[in-house]
Amino acid sequence: GQQVMQIPQYQHVQEGEDFTTYCNSSTTLSNIQWYKQRPGGHPVFLIQLVKSGEVKKQKRLTFQFGEAKKNSSLHITATQTTDVGTYFCAEITGGGNKLTFGTGTQLKVEL
Amino acid sequence: DAGITQSPRHKVTETGTPVTLRCHQTENHRYMYWYRQDPGHGLRLIHYSYGVKDTDKGEVSDGYSVSRSKTEDFLLTLESATSSQTSVYFCAISETLPTNEKLFFGSGTQLSVL
Repeated sequence: GQQVMQIPQYQHVQEGEDFTTYCNSSTTLSNIQWYKQRPGGHPVFLIQLVKSGEVKKQKRLTFQFGEAKKNSSLHITATQTTDVGTYFCAEITGGGNKLTFGTGTQLKVEL
Repeated sequence: DAGITQSPRHKVTETGTPVTLRCHQTENHRYMYWYRQDPGHGLRLIHYSYGVKDTDKGEVSDGYSVSRSKTEDFLLTLESATSSQTSVYFCAISETLPTNEKLFFGSGTQLSVL
């Protein structure tokens, strides 16, 4: 089945470095959601983007929605060990009934 | 955290046996979902429900069936488990369409089929 593609699949950074994950779709998205899953945990909602070119910030996290609404990114400034986990984007499908998740980006932060 | 309970939390079973996983919610949310999570594949939708007795297939529904006889319970059944169904299964709920609402996830069920 079709999945939203995320890159990179894995990222190791030193604490204090920045991190970015990208989400790309072949179709125009109505909106996009981002989730974080800590190791051994369950996905937790972070944010939803709806408007073309939208930018939202949550402390050190910056979320962007592309102008064409076909891609999105999550940027973390000055990573901390608490940022460790897998970040997923998710797109609305099935006439709005379903949420299809991207493949995820696993972030590891080393001291 | 939303009131979502998945049971069992862990299960080991043999190939060919039936398995039922349960998702129970106390939020009275209309929508319920079953996802499986496997390395390299992220979260893939198995089945979902948009109301009592209203269910539909997701992208990886083969080998799985679901039932929702009450708002609060959504059951996932593997009629004859196979090793390829070894995975972590997550239940999720949302109050309305995900277009307008986020999903809340349960803690997951680790299923091993030997």
